[in-house]
Amino acid sequence: EAGVVQSPRYKIIEKKQPVAFWCNPISGHNTLYWYRQNLGQGPELLIRYENEEAVDDSQLPKDRFSAERLKGVDSTLKIQPAELGDSAVYLCASSQRTSGGRTDTQYFGPGTRLTVL
Amino acid sequence: GEDVEQSLFLSVREGDSSVINCTYTDSSSTYLYWYKQEPGAGLQLLTYIFSNMDMKQDQRLTVLLNKKDKHLSLRIADTQTGDSAIYFCAENGPDSSYKLIFGSGTRLLVRP
Repeated sequence: EAGVVQSPRYKIIEKKQPVAFWCNPISGHNTLYWYRQNLGQGPELLIRYENEEAVDDSQLPKDRFSAERLKGVDSTLKIQPAELGDSAVYLCASSQRTSGGRTDTQYFGPGTRLTVL
Repeated sequence: GEDVEQSLFLSVREGDSSVINCTYTDSSSTYLYWYKQEPGAGLQLLTYIFSNMDMKQDQRLTVLLNKKDKHLSLRIADTQTGDSAIYFCAENGPDSSYKLIFGSGTRLLVRP
C-alpha cells in the first residue's frame, strides 16, 4: 500500500513569491493534516481536514496561508506571499478516523523542504 | 498549556540499549506516541501506548508510561547503527483531540 505522497520534495523561492505544496493521502483515509516543522523542532499542526471540511485551522496564518481539499482526497497548501520565516519542512499526514474513537494514528509523508531566500 | 519535553541528544554504542525519555503535561492524553525521523524523511510511527497501560513491548522496543509523573520512555534493545535518527514523543492535544503535540525530538547517535 502506498504511503502519503507529497510533492515537490524541495522548493527554493525568493521572498514575496507564491508557493504551493501538494499531498495525496493514504487511500481510504478521511482525515488529512498539514504540519510545519521548523529546524530542530517537532511538527506543529497547521490545519486538519475531515473529508473536505477544515475542522481545525486555528494555527494556520490566514493572512498568507491557504489550503484546500477538494473532493476530500488530495490537498494543496499555499503560501502567498512567502516570507523568510516560512522556511521549514511542510509535512502532510493522514489517518482513518474510527467511529467513537478519541484519537487516531497519523501517518506522515516525506515532507516538502521550503527555503525562502 | 500543553507541552512535551525531551532531552536533545543521546549517544550509545552499537549493541547497547538506548533509553529516550519524554515528559508531557496534558493529563487527558489518551494515547502517547513515538515517531522516528531519519534525515530528509518524514515521521515514521514506531509505536504508541494507551494511557491506561504502563508498558508495551514490540520486538526491540519497550515503552514505559508513568502516568502519575507524566513520564514516557522508549527503550531500544540491541541498538543498531540503523537506529540513528531523531525520535519524537507526541501526545494528544487538549480534550483528547486529534491534534498531536510533539516534543522537539531526541537525536540518537549509535556508535559502531
